[in-house]
Amino acid sequence: RKEVEQDPGPFNVPEGATVAFNCTYSNSASQSFFWYRQDCRKEPKLLMSVYSSGNEDGRFTAQLNRASQYISLLIRDSKLSDSATYLCVVALTGGGNKLTFGTGTQLKVEL
Amino acid sequence: DGGITQSPKYLFRKEGQNVTLSCEQNLNHDAMYWYRQDPGQGLRLIYYSQIVNDFQKGDIAEGYSVSREKKESFPLTVTSAQKNPTAFYLCASSLRDRPYEQYFGPGTRLTVT
Repeated sequence: RKEVEQDPGPFNVPEGATVAFNCTYSNSASQSFFWYRQDCRKEPKLLMSVYSSGNEDGRFTAQLNRASQYISLLIRDSKLSDSATYLCVVALTGGGNKLTFGTGTQLKVEL
Repeated sequence: DGGITQSPKYLFRKEGQNVTLSCEQNLNHDAMYWYRQDPGQGLRLIYYSQIVNDFQKGDIAEGYSVSREKKESFPLTVTSAQKNPTAFYLCASSLRDRPYEQYFGPGTRLTVT
């Protein structure tokens, strides 16, 4: 079983739609969680951290469910510029700064 | 402008040759990292360094070597011992007390034939 699993997609959605991605992680000792965004053939960039109580940044909402070991990302009112691959990232505190990356979920927002 | 630079963007080599990928940052970050990305796989950690003159192996260090002689620089050498060197190589850096907020360079696409 992969340490971090994501549906690879692609998710093809119309502009203005709401889309949600889930990610599951296998190590219950994981402590820190993040979503990174990666545009085609570019480097990943930190989108947002995921806090236990859930957090929102504009149109983006991240949720964590420790009991079920999954993380979600919700994008509201999607824009063409949201088209990218979204990487779920998990870290073990004290794990030597090691981030474990999921393979990513591809989003395509269309007119 | 502060950031991380990697060069070259594309690199082609013949099998059996060692090749060194450059990574430089002017963010004053203590920690630096090397990852590789292959289609259908998540980023995998090759080596990381938390401080000058010190580095640790990541998950897939075999066939690679690094050095950290300066805070700003963390070059990666892909040796001929690396069995599948063709990949997208990404360098990242972070503040020592915020290791999970990593800033990535634009990457180097290495093709070995």
